[in-house]
Amino acid sequence: DGGITQSPKYLFRKEGQNVTLSCEQNLNHDAMYWYRQDPGQGLRLIYYSQIVNDFQKGDIAEGYSVSREKKESFPLTVTSAQKNPTAFYLCASTLRGANTGELFFGEGSRLTVL
Amino acid sequence: AQSVTQLGSHVSVSEGALVLLRCNYSSSVPPYLFWYVQYPNQGLQLLLKYTTGATLVKGINGFEAEFKKSETSFHLTKPSAHMSDAAEYFCAVSESGNTPLVFGKGTRLSVIA
Repeated sequence: DGGITQSPKYLFRKEGQNVTLSCEQNLNHDAMYWYRQDPGQGLRLIYYSQIVNDFQKGDIAEGYSVSREKKESFPLTVTSAQKNPTAFYLCASTLRGANTGELFFGEGSRLTVL
Repeated sequence: AQSVTQLGSHVSVSEGALVLLRCNYSSSVPPYLFWYVQYPNQGLQLLLKYTTGATLVKGINGFEAEFKKSETSFHLTKPSAHMSDAAEYFCAVSESGNTPLVFGKGTRLSVIA
């Protein structure tokens, strides 16, 4: 079945550690996105990539990094520079330019900093 | 710049009552509009979308929404609430297929038996 797979589902980290969240899709979508979700704040865009080897900062990119070496994969690294990393992270994808921007989402990864 | 305002962070209705979740947007061009639903600790699932054409859009689970350009609104309705409708609902806007969606802050719907 086609879809978006995020892993791990739950992740705990100590302060000062970098962590990487995985996002893989087999939908043959061109564009991929990372959003952060906090209670009462909706979804905020961290980074997005419309083609391989290219990506753009979203509204809250500070303290995060990404790579897009393959069309299917768009991992997100939460660095120690991110001051408040505890959140629910959502990966999404879409077929660039072919439609209205409708996003397909993964099941999310919940990061807790201890 | 695009923006979305969802009126009411929490809405509570009785089972069988009308559901009305409000969404207003701002956009410099004719927008594409979306409603997504999220159950606890899960991703978002598309309920319905407006692109062009008919302004009354029907979605899954009996939901529908009407695009009103003059009011810059895209309110979500369902005639009769079910317990299973309890979830968080997000309205989103896009100006093209190449720009990221902008989301509202969400409305949590509670359904009372």
